[in-house]
Amino acid sequence: QVQLQESGPGLVEPSGTLSLNCAVSGGSISSTGWWSWVRQPPGKGLEWIGEIYHSGSTSYNPSLKSRVTISADKSKNQFSLRLTSVTAADTAVFYCARAVGGSIDFWGQGTLVTVSS
Amino acid sequence: QPVVTQSSSASASLGSSVKLTCTLSSGHSTYIIAWHQQQPGKAPRYLMKVEGSGSYNKGSGAPDRFSGSSSGSDRYLTISNLQFEDEADYYCETWDSTTRVFGGGTKLTVL
Repeated sequence: QVQLQESGPGLVEPSGTLSLNCAVSGGSISSTGWWSWVRQPPGKGLEWIGEIYHSGSTSYNPSLKSRVTISADKSKNQFSLRLTSVTAADTAVFYCARAVGGSIDFWGQGTLVTVSS
Repeated sequence: QPVVTQSSSASASLGSSVKLTCTLSSGHSTYIIAWHQQQPGKAPRYLMKVEGSGSYNKGSGAPDRFSGSSSGSDRYLTISNLQFEDEADYYCETWDSTTRVFGGGTKLTVL
């Protein structure tokens, strides 16, 4: 059973950079799948941010592409999200997830990140 | 890129059945979709994938009462013998080689 756990600051200042990590257990990020980031603003729906393939290639949501970087640390079996120039509109619960065979099949528990001074 | 559309809300009585719909955009009617359930205050949980043929493949956590089907551009999630714990938001997801998209979600109320 794959398990994913997000970690990172819960508060980020406007115009700053949001950085989150996702630790993976029960599966290797090097061997299979897409490793994704999804966010959910309070009271709203899910928005795909982007993902990194086990080979290292990446795909990003076009609406966020200029501000997003997703990377992987295979030695630690974790992957990371970096979102720059954040505003209050970026306040959300951020989820990491695994996609195999196309769809997401495992989700992390999520972490709330608030953008505020 | 594909788009998926869902009704914003649905309701049904305890013990009855309900069928939720996810509609694929024009030109994407053959796409596979996935259904996810998000109970209040919790992370989403994968339920199943539904193909254009109507076949579906459930995840290990999906109750037997949950099933999938398909007609044209529509993909369905049917929940039988509704329980109060089924009250949740349900999201459909689809993808192609460069993107992944979610529907706006359907809020299911069990009466």
